[in-house]
Order: sequence, then C-alpha cells, then structure tokens
Amino acid sequence: QQQVKQSPQSLIVQKGGISIINCAYENTAFDYFPWYQQFPGKGPALLIAIRPDVSEKKEGRFTISFNKSAKQFSLHIMDSQPGDSATYFCAASREYSSASKIIFGSGTRLSIRP
Amino acid sequence: GAVVSQHPSRVICKSGTSVKIECRSLDFQATTMFWYRQFPKQSLMLMATSNEGSKATYEQGVEKDKFLINHASLTLSTLTVTSAHPEDSSFYICSARSGTGGADTQYFGPGTRLTVL
Repeated sequence: QQQVKQSPQSLIVQKGGISIINCAYENTAFDYFPWYQQFPGKGPALLIAIRPDVSEKKEGRFTISFNKSAKQFSLHIMDSQPGDSATYFCAASREYSSASKIIFGSGTRLSIRP
Repeated sequence: GAVVSQHPSRVICKSGTSVKIECRSLDFQATTMFWYRQFPKQSLMLMATSNEGSKATYEQGVEKDKFLINHASLTLSTLTVTSAHPEDSSFYICSARSGTGGADTQYFGPGTRLTVL
C-alpha cells in the first residue's frame, strides 16, 4: 500500500518558472512532512519540512503548501534555476517517535531548461 | 549540520563474493541507523532499521541472512551483502538518527554504488 503518492513523475520547467510537485498521504498519524533533493549518484538531502500546524512554510525560493483536510502537500520552487535540476522526494513520518520510519513518495525528476 | 559518511562510495565485485559497506555518523551519536536500497529512477526502499547493540529489524521481503547488518557502536553501522549476485547491484544508502530524536533528526549518507559482475 502506497502511503505517500507523488506526482508528476517528471517535470520540465523553463528557467525562471515555477516548479510544482504534489503529494498526498493516507495516514492521519503523520505529523512531519519533509522534502528531499537528490542529485545523481548522491544521497538525498533534506530541503525543507513542514508540520501540520501550519499551512505554508517558505525558505528562500522553496515553499511547502499544506492542506491538512485534503491530506495533501506540495512543493513550489520559485524562479527555478538549472541547478535545481534533480530528483525530489516528498515524505511523511511521525516526528516525535524514535521508532518511526520515513515513508517516501515515488519521486519527481525535475529538469530546468536554460 | 550533521554528517553521515559511507565507505566505499563505489564497489565492483564478482558474483559469489561478499561486500561490506560502512556507515558512520561523524559528528553525532546515532542510536538508530537505517539502510535503504535504491534502484535506478526509483524511490528509496527501506531494508532494515538497526539500533546500537541490538539485532536489526528487517523489512518484509528483505533476506536477513543475505544482508547482514551490524551496529556495534553509536557512530558505526555496517551492511554486508553476502554471496552477492548481479541482481544485488544497486545504490545503497544509509541514514542515521541523532540521539533519540525522530525523523527530523535523520540524516542521509552519500550512498554506495554496488556493481556485481
């Protein structure tokens, strides 16, 4: 059972445009929603994360929008740059539990065209 | 920020041999470490969770006798792929969780590319 669904599978955006990646989750016990960025041949790195007590979190060009009632959250990359080309994974977990696992989405391959 | 290292970064071995991959937390103590496997263009698949000084907990479908995990100290966990075969070729990523924290204190290593000939 896929607990975190991610779309689209791949995305091409022009430089300067807005990249949007969407995720939906099923388990209402999740209370921590991170996004990871992964470059080819590298491990994933935490990009930004949100907790369900807020509807939006912004860090620089990266914004997470969170809709608790719909059980959906999305990543927006403003002014997308070629250096943003990578694979992005949304994820969900129970934050304050040492035994909790991070459940990853299927990933989105983002390409930013110059 | 917290750093997790893996060694080696790449390894090529012959079918039937065993390969050991090391995962170290460089600047923090990791009570819990995780091992993931990632096939090309796919997501990370959790293989097992290990706690320092105790046996690892394997995910369903992962052969514990083939993928041996040892978490002997708070800064080191090892994954040994025994009798490796070409289908074991993959990208293996470890992750370490700081202290007794949750997912927000989990950091990922750079990965190890295993190729079995």
